[in-house]
Formats: sequence, structure tokens, C-alpha cells
Amino acid sequence: QVQLKESGPGLVQPSQTLSLTCTVSGFSLTSYHVSWVRQPPGKGLEWMGVIWTGGSTAYNSLLKSRLSISRDTSKSQVFLKMNSLQTEDTATYYCARTYNNYFDYWGQGVMVTVSS
Amino acid sequence: DIVLTQAPLSVSVTPGESASISCRSSKSLLSSKGITSLYWYLQKPGKSPQLLIYRMSNLASGVPDRFSGSGSETDFTLKISKVETEDVGVYYCAQFLEYPYTFGAGTKLELK
Repeated sequence: QVQLKESGPGLVQPSQTLSLTCTVSGFSLTSYHVSWVRQPPGKGLEWMGVIWTGGSTAYNSLLKSRLSISRDTSKSQVFLKMNSLQTEDTATYYCARTYNNYFDYWGQGVMVTVSS
Repeated sequence: DIVLTQAPLSVSVTPGESASISCRSSKSLLSSKGITSLYWYLQKPGKSPQLLIYRMSNLASGVPDRFSGSGSETDFTLKISKVETEDVGVYYCAQFLEYPYTFGAGTKLELK
């Protein structure tokens, strides 16, 4: 069945770089896009960016200067890297399968705290 | 960016009664292909969001038919008939018409 699972450090220091991995199963990264979405504690959802089946990417302009999304199709993994982290980047980070331009399956999320 | 405004931000419902949530878009969500790109998600406590309704009025797989979606190009409604305890959580509308994809602020549904 379709599954997505995020992994990465739970704690990142301010000004450092966040690196997250989304490992998928049950579908191919060459057949479905994958997006990253984040949710600060107690707040709403923010789309961060997407990597398309062909490997191209699109980013939220608010994050574009700090964000990079890539993938390794052989390992069924999508990567998120975001630099210059601040406390306001504290959030749960989700990856989501993107089908026909909407999210049909989500990962369980990974909580990331930015703190010294 | 397209702004989605949800109302109310919270609703308290007696089990067995109905609830409606509104979502208003700052721009028409009707695409050139005739698809209305408005979606509804439910985030149950401590869980990731799950798809309820796609393309304004289509029920996602496995979603009870107590849920229904309707609307126009800019004004949308999610209706839940006969609310059950498992319906508790935060409901989000979302648009996937154009980047950046955006979400409403969410409507928290609680039981009386």
C-alpha cells in the first residue's frame, strides 16, 4: 500500500541547515510528484514545495531562497534541505504524494524544533 | 497568492446533528479544464491530514457519505450530516489551482 515516512533530526540549532528524508513505498517517484508541507505547533498548514515526476521542482516564494528539494529514485527517497533556520521554522514537517495536483496520501510527519 | 477564508473557526456540534463549514476564495478556483480545484481535509488530533473531498464535490475513497462538498467558483461548503465522534478534528480547505498551494486557517469541530 502507499506509504510515506519522514525522518530527520528532532532538534536543529538556529542558523543551521535542516535535512529531512521522505521514504516512500507503494508507488514510484517517476509516476507521482511529492510535496513538502509544514505545520507550526497549533497552527495551520503551509505548502513548501514539490518535486515533479521528471525531477523539476517548484517552491513557495516565501521559502525559495532557503529551500532545496531533491530525490533519489533508486532509493524511493525525497530530500528537503532548508538553511538559515530560525525559531519560527519549528514545525511538524510532512511529505505528501501529489496526484493530479492534490495531496492524496500524507506521511505521519516529523517534528523539528529549532533551538539552541 | 490565493487566500482561503474559512468560517467559523470553531464549531461545537451535538452528535447526530449536522455541521457546515464555509470556505471563500480570493480568486476563482475554476481551471481552464473546467475543474474546480478546491479540496477538503480533516486532521484528527495528533494525526496527519486526510483527504475528504476532491475537486469541490467528489468524495475521496473510504470517506463516509455523511460528508459532502458543494460550491461555486469562489464560495464553498463542506457539510457533515449526522456528526459522529470520529469526526472531531480540524477541517481545512485547500486550493491546488496555482502555486503556492494554500490552505484555509482551519475549522475546529468539537462535540457538545
